[in-house]
Amino acid sequence: GENVEQHPSTLSVQEGDSAVIKCTYSDSASNYFPWYKQELGKRPQLIIDIRSNVGEKKDQRIAVTLNKTAKHFSLHITETQPEDSAVYFCAASSPHSGGGADGLTFGKGTHLIIQP
Amino acid sequence: NAGVTQTPKFRVLKTGQSMTLLCAQDMNHEYMYWYRQDPGMGLRLIHYSVGEGTTAKGEVPDGYNVSRLKKQNFLLGLESAAPSQTSVYFCASLARVPGANVLTFGAGSRLTVL
Repeated sequence: GENVEQHPSTLSVQEGDSAVIKCTYSDSASNYFPWYKQELGKRPQLIIDIRSNVGEKKDQRIAVTLNKTAKHFSLHITETQPEDSAVYFCAASSPHSGGGADGLTFGKGTHLIIQP
Repeated sequence: NAGVTQTPKFRVLKTGQSMTLLCAQDMNHEYMYWYRQDPGMGLRLIHYSVGEGTTAKGEVPDGYNVSRLKKQNFLLGLESAAPSQTSVYFCASLARVPGANVLTFGAGSRLTVL
C-alpha cells in the first residue's frame, strides 16, 4: 500500500514569514494529493489539492508543488497570519490504498505555530 | 444540509463496556470512513464502506466492528472497550469529483476508556 511521510512534525515561524511543509509518497500510481487543515478542536478541512498532471497550484497565500519523479509534494504558505496556526495533513490517493480505489493515505501531520 | 454528523461528541467508558458511534451524512455519498486520531499518529483508517451493505478493514481494524445498513449511516462499534481505544474518532464521507477525492469530515467524537 501507499506510505506518506510528512516533515517537519512541528514548525514555528514568525508572523509574516513563509512556511513550507514537505511530504513524500511511495506509490508511483498515486494521482491525487490533497492538504487538510485542522484547527484546534475542529475537524480537518480541505484547503488545497493537486492532481498528478499538474506541477503547481496556487490559491491566494497557499500553494502546492508536486514532483512526480522524486515522489514528493509540498505546501507553501506565504505572509503567514495567526489564523494559519493549525495542524496540516498531507495525503495521497492511490489505487492501492486502503479505503477502496479512492482511499487516501495521510501523513502524520505538521503542527504549524505562528509566532506574533 | 448538515453534511456529516457524528454522535455522541463525548463519551467515557469503563474497560469492557460496549458502545456504538453513529455517523450520518446527507450528501448521498457512496464512500464512508472511520478514522481515529491520536497525538503524533495522524489519521488512521479503521474501517470503510464503498456502499450500502458493504464494509472493509482499514489500517487499524482490531477491536472495532462496523455496519452500513443504510447508505446515509455508518456505525462504529466497540464490543469490549480497552484503554488503548481512547482517542478522537472522525467519520468522513467521500465526494468522487473527477480527478479528486474530497473527504468531508464530521466534528469528531472524543472517547475515553478508563
